[in-house]
Amino acid sequence: SQQGEEDPQALSIQEGENATMNCSYKTSINNLQWYRQNSGRGLVHLILIRSNEREKHSGRLRVTLDTSKKSSSLLITASRAADTASYFCATVLMNRDDKIIFGKGTRLHILP
Amino acid sequence: DAGVIQSPRHEVTEMGQEVTLRCKPISGHDYLFWYRQTMMRGLELLIYFNNNVPIDDSGMPEDRFSAKMPNASFSTLKIQPSEPRDSAVYFCASSLRTLNNEQFFGPGTRLTVL
Repeated sequence: SQQGEEDPQALSIQEGENATMNCSYKTSINNLQWYRQNSGRGLVHLILIRSNEREKHSGRLRVTLDTSKKSSSLLITASRAADTASYFCATVLMNRDDKIIFGKGTRLHILP
Repeated sequence: DAGVIQSPRHEVTEMGQEVTLRCKPISGHDYLFWYRQTMMRGLELLIYFNNNVPIDDSGMPEDRFSAKMPNASFSTLKIQPSEPRDSAVYFCASSLRTLNNEQFFGPGTRLTVL
């Protein structure tokens, strides 16, 4: 498996429900970031969590990081139609903090 | 700031032609990245620069691909000759290391090689 892998690959939920996406990685990290990509657009940074942090919030987003399991999760609460997008986790490696490695993403579809 | 600017937004060309994609990073950012995105391979890092110097080009698929950054405000990605399998969306992104490498992406160039 590659450095960052999101799970599931695709997710469909009803509007108003919570959406949870997971990311696993292999090598020690400096920080982990989540990005969103709307169809036909560039990626947009959502939130960053450092390796010494366990949880972070931003609006309806909640990110957790478990460095012992080398995994992170992104929770979107009270989902909206506008949350329909692909979500990518990206890791900045501990010894190579000059670049980010992106996963393949989770496609989230919010059903009306 | 206008964000990362890419041109053209769409490019349709015929196999064998030269293609040049352009990027203007956010002013003051010291890193610039070129990515390619396809359904099959996802988002691939092609090359990145630090202070205009190429640092890692291991993602450049073939010698047909080349990238330059002549100054801090401009970079090009060139494909010569282009092939149908080069069809993809190419993104440019820039970042500032002191911001923990948060990357700012341009809108992308959708390339179609016929």
